[in-house]
Amino acid sequence: QSALTQPRSVSGSPGQSVTISCTGTSSDVGGRNYVSWYQHHPGEGPKLIIYDVSQRPSGVPDRFSGSKSGNTASLTISGLQAEDEADYYCYSYAGRYTFVFGTGTRVTVL
Amino acid sequence: QVQLVQSGAEVKKPGASVKVSCKASGYIFSGYYMHWVRQAPGQGLEWMGCINPNTGGTYYSQNFQGRVTMTRDTPITTAFMEVANLKSDDTAVYYCARGRDIWSALSTWGQGTLVTVSS
Repeated sequence: QSALTQPRSVSGSPGQSVTISCTGTSSDVGGRNYVSWYQHHPGEGPKLIIYDVSQRPSGVPDRFSGSKSGNTASLTISGLQAEDEADYYCYSYAGRYTFVFGTGTRVTVL
Repeated sequence: QVQLVQSGAEVKKPGASVKVSCKASGYIFSGYYMHWVRQAPGQGLEWMGCINPNTGGTYYSQNFQGRVTMTRDTPITTAFMEVANLKSDDTAVYYCARGRDIWSALSTWGQGTLVTVSS
C-alpha cells in the first residue's frame, strides 16, 4: 500500500487560507468516507483535527475544515495563525482492514 | 481524562527484539481499537497495525507482517507492540493511538517511544 500523496509544504501569512490536498485511489480515499487529518508538532503525539472527511472533534477551531472530491481529500485552514505551523497528515482506510497515511505536509506561517 | 502513556526509550542491537507498552486510562479499554504508528527520523507517519482489545484480534500492515506482534493485557488496560529482528531502519518513534472502532479516526495518541537500533 503506497502512501497517499500530499504536497511537501505550503505556506501563508497570518490570516490567510491554505489548502492541503491528499490524493489516493478509489481503493482508499475515494472508496469510503473514512478520511481523517492530524496535526503534528515535533516532540508531541499527533492530534486529530478532522474525521470522516469533514467532521471536527470538539475543541478543534472551526478554521479547520475538510472535504473530498473523488480520490482527493482536502484540508483547509482559514485565518492562519502562528500556532498552526506544524506537519499535517491525512489518513484513510485502504481496504482489507489496513490503513494508510499521507506523505505529510509542512505548513509554514510566514 | 483519557490518557495513553507509553514506556520509555529503548536502545537495541540489530537482530534483537523490542516490546513497547501503552497504558490506557480514563475509558473502557476493551471498547476501543488500539493502533500502532511509527515515524522514522525525517519521515512521515506509517501505520503498522491494530488490535481489538476485546477479542485480541489483530490486523497488520503488509510491511510488518510476520515481524510485529500486537497483544494486550486487559486487566491492566495495557497494549503491547513487539518488533522482532530489528534493523537499523526500524529506528523510529513508535506511537499507540485509540480508535472507537476499526474504521474510526485515531482520537487519542500516546506520547511516543523512541526506539534506536544501533550496533
